[in-house]
Amino acid sequence: KAGVTQTPRYLIKTRGQQVTLSCSPISGHRSVSWYQQTPGQGLQFLFEYFSETQRNKGNFPGRFSGRQFSNSRSEMNVSTLELGDSALYLCASSLEAVGNTIYFGEGSWLTVV
Amino acid sequence: AQSVTQPDIHITVSEGASLELRCNYSYGATPYLFWYVQSPGQGLQLLLKYFSGDTLVQGIKGFEAEFKRSQSSFNLRKPSVHWSDAAEYFCAVGGTQTGANNLFFGTGTRLTVIP
Repeated sequence: KAGVTQTPRYLIKTRGQQVTLSCSPISGHRSVSWYQQTPGQGLQFLFEYFSETQRNKGNFPGRFSGRQFSNSRSEMNVSTLELGDSALYLCASSLEAVGNTIYFGEGSWLTVV
Repeated sequence: AQSVTQPDIHITVSEGASLELRCNYSYGATPYLFWYVQSPGQGLQLLLKYFSGDTLVQGIKGFEAEFKRSQSSFNLRKPSVHWSDAAEYFCAVGGTQTGANNLFFGTGTRLTVIP
């Protein structure tokens, strides 16, 4: 069974631009969460979606947003990019309930120049 | 507040030697605990997890971890390290108190394996 798929894998954007990252969860998984990984801050939770609704949100500015579609695929968007947004963005999926195993994708590497 | 501490930033071991990576957590309720491994440029791969029951859990690649509630610890062990184990290891905690699938991660321990 296919794992969590993220696209694109690598991208370079300019300050002030916006970016959209995509995530396809494991088949049957309805919960999709997003994490940001940077050398300075480590792995930080961005938000989680379940059944097209944001269920939980981390401590990030409003420039970071996301959504989930009826087929459980998810996108996250970052507007007005800043240099500090350069990071590996990881998507994870799991079955619906708390305590289920969370599986991660390979990530999308974003560089802001 | 929830938090995870991995006190060792970098560990170097010889191939064939035993390994123990430390993890301490702070969590107000019964925690769900995870160990993930990340190779350079890759995502996170789950090694093992603890939800309840037997406090000694077995994972993939010969890893095991022991949950000790009294010490708030969840240390990862392997009896004999292979060169392919060189990677970064992350301990994480989650559960009903944090929200459905919101994991708190430690800062990671980088493992170097020397021949």
